Amino acid sequence: QKEVEQDPGPLSVPEGAIVSLNCTYSNSAFQYFMWYRQYSRKGPELLMYTYSSGNKEDGRFTAQVDKSSKYISLFIRDSQPSDSATYLCAILTGGGNKLTFGTGTQLKVEL
Amino acid sequence: ETGVTQSPTHLIKTRGQQVTLRCSSQSGHNTVSWYQQALGQGPQFIFQYYREEENGRGNFPPRFSGLQFPNYSSELNVNALELDDSALYLCASSLRGSYYGYTFGSGTRLTVV
Repeated sequence: QKEVEQDPGPLSVPEGAIVSLNCTYSNSAFQYFMWYRQYSRKGPELLMYTYSSGNKEDGRFTAQVDKSSKYISLFIRDSQPSDSATYLCAILTGGGNKLTFGTGTQLKVEL
Repeated sequence: ETGVTQSPTHLIKTRGQQVTLRCSSQSGHNTVSWYQQALGQGPQFIFQYYREEENGRGNFPPRFSGLQFPNYSSELNVNALELDDSALYLCASSLRGSYYGYTFGSGTRLTVV
C-alpha cells in the first residue's frame, strides 16, 4: 500500500466553482500535512500546511485533515484561471527528513 | 533573499553516461534534499544532506550519489544513466527542524536517450 494516494485527475471546473482535492494516507502516526502547487515547468511551492487534525484557512484556500479516516483535503473557493496547476499533497515522513508526495491532481479552471 | 537555484535547466544524455546536477540553497537554509519527479507523478525522495553528510535516503540505487558543500550548495551525481532516469530533478532546501520550510527550485529536466 502506498503511503499517500491521490486521484491524478485531470479536473476541469468553471471559473468561480468550489474545488475539492483529496488524498488518503496509510500511517496514522503522520502529523505534518502539506499542500503544494506546481505550475508547468516550475518546482512545487508550499500552499498550505496543517499539523495533526482540523482545518486551516488562508484566503480562498482551506486545508482539512481528518485523522480518524486518514483523509486530507484542500478546498479552493471562487476558483480562478490562475489556480490552474497541479496540486500535490505531501506528508512529512521518515522521521521528519523527507516529504512523501501524492501523485498530484491536475486542475484546470476555465473561463 | 534568494531562492533555490538549479543548473542546468535542461540536459540530454546518452544511456550509460554520467551526469552532475547542481543546486544553490536558499539563504539561511542548511539542509538540502533531492527529489526525482517522473512525468505525471509526484516527486520521489532521493536523499537529504545536512552538515555535508547524507541524512536519509529513499529507494534509489547507489549510482545516485550526492555532495553538500560548506556553503550548503549541493550536487546530485548519477552514474550509468538508464532511460528510466529521464525525469525532472528537484532540489529543496530547508532549515533543519523547520517541518514546513522546504523551498524547491525549478528543477533540471534530464532526458536520457
